[in-house]
Amino acid sequence: QSVLTQPPSASGTPGQRVTISCSGSSSNIGSNYVYWYQQLPGTAPKLLMYRDNQRPSGVPDRFSGSKSDTSASLAISGLRSEDEADYYCAAWDDSLSVVFGGGTKLTVL
Amino acid sequence: QVQLQESGPGLVKPSETLSLTCDVSGYSISSGYYWGWSRQPPGKGLEWIATIYHSGHTYYNPSLKSRVTISVDTSKNQFSLKMSSVTAADTAVYYCARGATVKAWFDPWGQGTLVTVSS
Repeated sequence: QSVLTQPPSASGTPGQRVTISCSGSSSNIGSNYVYWYQQLPGTAPKLLMYRDNQRPSGVPDRFSGSKSDTSASLAISGLRSEDEADYYCAAWDDSLSVVFGGGTKLTVL
Repeated sequence: QVQLQESGPGLVKPSETLSLTCDVSGYSISSGYYWGWSRQPPGKGLEWIATIYHSGHTYYNPSLKSRVTISVDTSKNQFSLKMSSVTAADTAVYYCARGATVKAWFDPWGQGTLVTVSS
């Protein structure tokens, strides 16, 4: 049981906009930044979003992040086949630990 | 650019100690940043294990703290993880990563190394 809650799966067709949610609590998302990671099949996680809504260099602006209270979301617009991957949210928890979401498997139909 | 590479035994017996090393290239650990370990059991999600600051201050996952030690060797530009009394539940791909802060900001990650706990 992960501290941050994500839907196990999401899907969309090419060109669509898909949103992945991440729900936490006041001790993590509610008081700390949220980070998102993309894990392509058979590879290591890659930082996709930092400090709630900041994209690292090289991440397309099709990816965007938002946060409200104790929940966060990752939106992917103009969905492409190469976006098919597992997506994880993460945050610092005030209990002095890093917590991850359980991950969302995105399928591009 | 900075690159990280995990190394260590791929097979560990139950009750023994798992030892992994992360070699860092392209950046001197003594210059700063945080350095962390996470793991991913086969077919499951990510779990944070521990983070260490370049000066040696450590942070541990409370659920693993009693069995885990993270350390840094600036002379070799590497950091290490030791996990004692392992069981089959510790079978996972172990990743090392650089942390921009002590929080959940990890970039980049190593490619990961699979550790299987079995007799």
